[in-house]
Amino acid sequence: DAKTTQPNSMESNEEEPVHLPCNHSTISGTDYIHWYRQLPSQGPEYVIHGLTSNVNNRMASLAIAEDRKSSTLILHRATLRDAAVYYCIPRDYNQGGKLIFGQGTELSVKP
Amino acid sequence: KAGVTQTPRYLIKTRGQQVTLSCSPISGHRSVSWYQQTPGQGLQFLFEYFSETQRNKGNFPGRFSGRQFSNSRSEMNVSTLELGDSALYLCASSLAVEGGNYGYTFGSGTRLTVV
Repeated sequence: DAKTTQPNSMESNEEEPVHLPCNHSTISGTDYIHWYRQLPSQGPEYVIHGLTSNVNNRMASLAIAEDRKSSTLILHRATLRDAAVYYCIPRDYNQGGKLIFGQGTELSVKP
Repeated sequence: KAGVTQTPRYLIKTRGQQVTLSCSPISGHRSVSWYQQTPGQGLQFLFEYFSETQRNKGNFPGRFSGRQFSNSRSEMNVSTLELGDSALYLCASSLAVEGGNYGYTFGSGTRLTVV
């Protein structure tokens, strides 16, 4: 299982961009990089995932390093609702539905 | 489109009892996974079911079991409850298509308290 390293916490101001980094240097070539977030008192919420190319969706963008050993989740304009714990998870397809959650990054957003 | 539905939302049980939790996945999703979340251990994978078969299992004792029905709904059972089983139990569903290019949708969880 690939190990991940994320900052324990980050702060952002409302309406500013946020870059959440993740190191996953032991990732295998077939692991998709998933990002989930968990708001207080809720289950985790899927944010985005990618394999090699950068990915965009309505929630965020995912920038993947060329060597795939790190990735960055980009929230283009943080809102108060984005305050959550963000998890970066390299997912081994051969492990099926097994997601290995680390400690994640707790993002706080200041008005 | 309905999300992943977990019932009940809250449950209080006595040590030694058993409990059954239910999860209804998103329509069309064939895979259901279960997770346990505690303040000390964080989110830990319990098991995954796909087409009524357990496909993967985490490192939990045999007191934790599950099953999946033909309509993809899943249940998990914990027998002989211990105080340490108090946790938020989360279910996630996915399309599980070939190739792995899919995400997971989580339910809101069942909060189990063992007294």
